[in-house]
Amino acid sequence: DAGVIQSPRHEVTEMGQEVTLRCKPISGHDYLFWYRQTMMRGLELLIYFNNNVPIDDSGMPEDRFSAKMPNASFSTLKIQPSEPRDSAVYFCASSLGPPLPNYGYTFGSGTRLTVV
Amino acid sequence: GESVGLHLPTLSVQEGDNSIINCAYSNSASDYFIWYKQESGKGPQFIIDIRSNMDKRQGQRVTVLLNKTVKHLSLQIAATQPGDSAVYFCAESVPSDDKIIFGKGTRLHILP
Repeated sequence: DAGVIQSPRHEVTEMGQEVTLRCKPISGHDYLFWYRQTMMRGLELLIYFNNNVPIDDSGMPEDRFSAKMPNASFSTLKIQPSEPRDSAVYFCASSLGPPLPNYGYTFGSGTRLTVV
Repeated sequence: GESVGLHLPTLSVQEGDNSIINCAYSNSASDYFIWYKQESGKGPQFIIDIRSNMDKRQGQRVTVLLNKTVKHLSLQIAATQPGDSAVYFCAESVPSDDKIIFGKGTRLHILP
């Protein structure tokens, strides 16, 4: 089991550019979550999917952020245009089911995004 | 390495001593609680969980205590080791909700 795989590990981009973060969940996991981690806000849930369908995107900061899950093995989080305040570590997590015992989240290693 | 340079409460513990990390959760309707450990440069990792119908649960070297009256959760680590250095997050979930909400975290620093 390779775990949750995120790419790239690090991304440095200029303000105004489009950024795409990628995630491959664990095979068989029905839930996929995108979190953002910053100094000020800690770990924030941005959006999550169940069976490839977006369920709750209330944490997405603004229209510059969008997320897709075209199939069970791939999801993207896109920021267009990017701004310096988007600099953070973005985590993807997956789980077999809703948060109950034995259905804990498995997190990827994160993508550290720096917008200059 | 840092977890995005978080300015977090820090608990410093002598190697071999027991550590107690505390967390105040926000929602009285939460019925499921989890502790995660985040090492530098990595994502959070599940440690132990507890449902609201319990007040204590033990794992290997770790114990979670839940006090619903005051909405307080604690993680006890026995015989703290250098490998326990990390940021520890408590997280909560409410019934019929598919998501977990994380607390701010506590950095555990092990003294030699």
